[in-house]
Amino acid sequence: EVQLVESGGGLVKPGGSLRLSCAASGFTFSSYSMNWVRQAPGKGLEWVSSITSSSRYTYYADSVKGRFTISRDNAKNSLYLQMNSLRAEDTAVYYCARGPIGELDYWGQGTLVTVSS
Amino acid sequence: DIQMTQSPSTLSASVGDRVTITCRASQSISSWLAWYQQKPGKAPKLLIYKASSLESGVPSRFSGSGSGTEFTLTISSLQPDDFATYYCQQYNTYSTFGQGTKVAMK
Repeated sequence: EVQLVESGGGLVKPGGSLRLSCAASGFTFSSYSMNWVRQAPGKGLEWVSSITSSSRYTYYADSVKGRFTISRDNAKNSLYLQMNSLRAEDTAVYYCARGPIGELDYWGQGTLVTVSS
Repeated sequence: DIQMTQSPSTLSASVGDRVTITCRASQSISSWLAWYQQKPGKAPKLLIYKASSLESGVPSRFSGSGSGTEFTLTISSLQPDDFATYYCQQYNTYSTFGQGTKVAMK
């Protein structure tokens, strides 16, 4: 069974940093591109970032470019999102999702990031 | 950036109704469009990819059509489990989601 479990969310002050993790199991992690997608409270979905299976290519939404860094460790079946210079508007549930940028076929349950003073 | 506009934002329907949701792209995205269903407090679920391909395990009452800039998601006979919010997603150029369409009980 495919499972994606996010962790690392929490309360952080504006300008602070946070690192999210996503532990994958039930599939050959190293064969799949992975993504982060977020959802602000009561709002719609926003694609954040994507990384190819070998980490060769990474992609970012304009809203996070230069502040967030996606990475992965295929030996540990793990996906990461390093978030720096956090702003109030980054407050959201962050989901990791399997697949190329489109066609996200498995999602985790999400981890809540709250940016507030 | 490619903008995705869904209509309507909210739709009231009854069990058994045929439901259609429209998604328009601000420029051509060929068939690089997916549809997702999301229920409150849950992660989205992939329903349709490449505009009209049904994801494995998704009931056949769901169908997608369109290409270029105009797309539709149709539920042929609405079931109690289908009351949810639906999102389209373009992936022709990076990715953008529509704002969502809530299907509510009439």
